[in-house]
Amino acid sequence: DTEVTQTPKHLVMGMTNKKSLKCEQHMGHRAMYWYKQKAKKPPELMFVYSYEKLSINESVPSRFSPECPNSSLLNLHLHALQPEDSALYLCASSQGPREGNTEAFFGQGTRLTVV
Amino acid sequence: EDQVTQSPEALRLQEGESSSLNCSYTVSGLRGLFWYRQDPGKGPEFLFTLYSAGEEKEKERLKATLTKKESFLHITAPKPEDSATYLCAVQEDNYGQNFVFGPGTRLSVLP
Repeated sequence: DTEVTQTPKHLVMGMTNKKSLKCEQHMGHRAMYWYKQKAKKPPELMFVYSYEKLSINESVPSRFSPECPNSSLLNLHLHALQPEDSALYLCASSQGPREGNTEAFFGQGTRLTVV
Repeated sequence: EDQVTQSPEALRLQEGESSSLNCSYTVSGLRGLFWYRQDPGKGPEFLFTLYSAGEEKEKERLKATLTKKESFLHITAPKPEDSATYLCAVQEDNYGQNFVFGPGTRLSVLP
């Protein structure tokens, strides 16, 4: 099973709302990722969690707040977003660095629209 | 800084017309090169991992190869269902947790 599950699939939120994106995997992977993808562009890294600790933050604005409650779950909390934050948000997981860090498996994404 | 480029940007093939997609990379040390397929509005689907020059992987009509500076994705006798964007990504040896993606090749296979 190489499934990464993301919810919700679609989300429309106002600029004053608070919402959360959720991601779950049961492959025993110890690295989890958030990527942002704009139309006709490649995915861009936002955050990496390694063994449930934040290991990479690619200078993402504080209106995006990641959380890794346990090794299977990853959340992205959203607050006071701007219309330019509208994008496809992708979660991925891979083996951790101690296990050799191989390929990442992606979820189907959350299509976020900020109005 | 890592750089990953892909060519062509877009490719239109007739069904059965074989071709190759290119991924060129510059990293100080390659941990792995990865090929993904992405359908519109969906997440990338993993295809292949390549680790060292000379390595080849095959899956159905697709074959991926790796040299020290580039990778090729060969598509043999493509079908319309192979239409998608093909992305390559690299991981650098000393910064191994970031998958750096190229811009992708949009492939259209016409019946």
